[in-house]
Amino acid sequence: SAVISQKPSRDICQRGTSLTIQCQVDSQVTMMFWYRQQPGQSLTLIATANQGSEATYESGFVIDKFPISRPNLTFSTLTVSNMSPEDSSIYLCSARQEDNSPLHFGNGTRLTVT
Amino acid sequence: GESVGLHLPTLSVQEGDNSIINCAYSNSASDYFIWYKQESGKGPQFIIDIRSNMDKRQGQRVTVLLNKTVKHLSLQIAATQPGDSAVYFCAEKKRDTGRRALTFGSGTRLQVQP
Repeated sequence: SAVISQKPSRDICQRGTSLTIQCQVDSQVTMMFWYRQQPGQSLTLIATANQGSEATYESGFVIDKFPISRPNLTFSTLTVSNMSPEDSSIYLCSARQEDNSPLHFGNGTRLTVT
Repeated sequence: GESVGLHLPTLSVQEGDNSIINCAYSNSASDYFIWYKQESGKGPQFIIDIRSNMDKRQGQRVTVLLNKTVKHLSLQIAATQPGDSAVYFCAEKKRDTGRRALTFGSGTRLQVQP
């Protein structure tokens, strides 16, 4: 199974600033996704990171707020822009090799916005 | 609407007993289901999966049952151990509509009493 590394693991940021989260997979994967998890709650899909093209965003998430890059089959970034306290959450990178195969997750980035 | 939900938010069991965690889903177009375990400070960890053409699948100490008639998914853990204490999520993937990400249920916390 793919091993997914995220950094930073946590950060405390000031309102109005931006943070870029990096996700590195130890093998080439066809699909990568970014999720958000509020403390004590379930996971919500932000977007699908498409290699070589614009990400596909879910309802309620927009590119200006959460720009995503995926330059190759092993790496992706998620930026949380112009942060507010409501953006405080855990952001999780995930990847899978093919449809109907397990989705593997990194350990997440715990973001606190003050 | 479409949803994946759980019957019990918290389940407390004695060490050595069997645990059963339930999940109801409403999307009959889902063709792949998966259970995750999430420990504090970590990302979700794959436990076991099942495709919609199956009713039952067994792993090491875990069994997943799928009842498509009533849209019900369950995870059975045999001889529950303290290390099984965590939050468990069920997740589903819709039959190919171009959206390949997983939709997560709300989670059940399993507490194993020594």
